[in-house]
Amino acid sequence: DTAVSQTPKYLVTQMGNDKSIKCEQNLGHDTMYWYKQDSKKFLKIMFSYNNKELIINETVPNRFSPKSPDKAHLNLHINSLELGDSAVYFCASSQDMANTGELFFGEGSRLTVL
Amino acid sequence: DQQVKQNSPSLSVQEGRISILNCDYTNSMFDYFLWYKKYPAEGPTFLISISSIKDKNEDGRFTVFLNKSAKHLSLHIVPSQPGDSAVYFCAASAKRYGGSQGNLIFGKGTKLSVKP
Repeated sequence: DTAVSQTPKYLVTQMGNDKSIKCEQNLGHDTMYWYKQDSKKFLKIMFSYNNKELIINETVPNRFSPKSPDKAHLNLHINSLELGDSAVYFCASSQDMANTGELFFGEGSRLTVL
Repeated sequence: DQQVKQNSPSLSVQEGRISILNCDYTNSMFDYFLWYKKYPAEGPTFLISISSIKDKNEDGRFTVFLNKSAKHLSLHIVPSQPGDSAVYFCAASAKRYGGSQGNLIFGKGTKLSVKP
């Protein structure tokens, strides 16, 4: 019963394809996030949702579209994949939007675009 | 434009000794700082945090020190144990930073190896 679970853990695909990564949290948290860890190892926020409402949308290509069907789920859909999208994507959740910010992370989904 | 910098990519320490991991930041708006620990193939897990109104926070073997004038924080682990071997990320946030509340800015991490 992992607190924040994301699937798949590994994803290898061709350029131009569309793929999704799913995330679920069973902590009862109101806020969920997607972070990207690129080849330089930086962890950067992409999106955050609070109670199914988009709160943060950093400078991310609009090929990336988050979808939150309910507050326990935040899925990431990526259209027309590019080589530069190869990274590890982490889903996370927190109790609220306060910046006293303990985030609970999933294990990560390693995306490789060939 | 790295607002949170961890200049040491790796650190090796003998078991039982002190590990000191350093972090520098540039944005004076940051008012909350956190350390996360990450094992391979796992997500980061929260370790310890400190508010800018304090200069020290201690939790068991882990102590975080904040020097606001130097825009520097450090994580001390005493005594270090082999199980502490992991990548440690420093992160910072600001309540009114860019209107994006909840946005943690992470450093690149320091890989700590504790040798038996």
